[in-house]
Amino acid sequence: GEDVEQSLFLSVREGDSSVINCTYTDSSSTYLYWYKQEPGAGLQLLTYIFSNMDMKQDQRLTVLLNKKDKHLSLRIADTQTGDSAIYFCAVLGLGGGYQKVTFGTGTKLQVIP
Amino acid sequence: GAGVSQSPSNKVTEKGKDVELRCDPISGHTALYWYRQRLGQGLEFLIYFQGNSAPDKSGLPSDRFSAERTGESVSTLTIQRTQQEDSAVYLCASSLVSGGNEQYFGPGTRLTVT
Repeated sequence: GEDVEQSLFLSVREGDSSVINCTYTDSSSTYLYWYKQEPGAGLQLLTYIFSNMDMKQDQRLTVLLNKKDKHLSLRIADTQTGDSAIYFCAVLGLGGGYQKVTFGTGTKLQVIP
Repeated sequence: GAGVSQSPSNKVTEKGKDVELRCDPISGHTALYWYRQRLGQGLEFLIYFQGNSAPDKSGLPSDRFSAERTGESVSTLTIQRTQQEDSAVYLCASSLVSGGNEQYFGPGTRLTVT
């Protein structure tokens, strides 16, 4: 089945850029997502990218997809303390004939004032 | 409300008891998903409903777990004879159609089995 991996922890200073990385294994993946989970809250969809795109930008967020290397990244420009959260990478693929979303374990982003 | 809702928000139960968790998806969303998130771990897919098709149960961890959905509305996830390892946050998500659309998540039900 699909395997999605992320580093567990990232610490950045306020105002710097954050880059959260994700790798996946299923080359047939069609959609790739980034979710944000703040303490005590549910998941919030930040952005997603189609597998035929290389890049997507949305305000402070930039998603880069290297399909050859099966590598996805999320860049947050001008990181703020409110960006502190756990960020989940998720991939839509086929599993047993059904479409399902596989999540990474999440990267905890700590923003230092 | 406009979002996905789940109830209860918290449930504490004794080992061996059955529990039922409820999910109300966004109106008009045909696809509904259940996930489990154990402490310190990523999301684990449990089951997926799409319209009137047979659900994808491939993620259910044991036969103690079952889920139902009435048409394209409410879904219930039932855990029979709960065990301590069932303690987790159970998240429900819905999307407009299956595949390729954003999955909108509910706030989750935190289940604690004592």
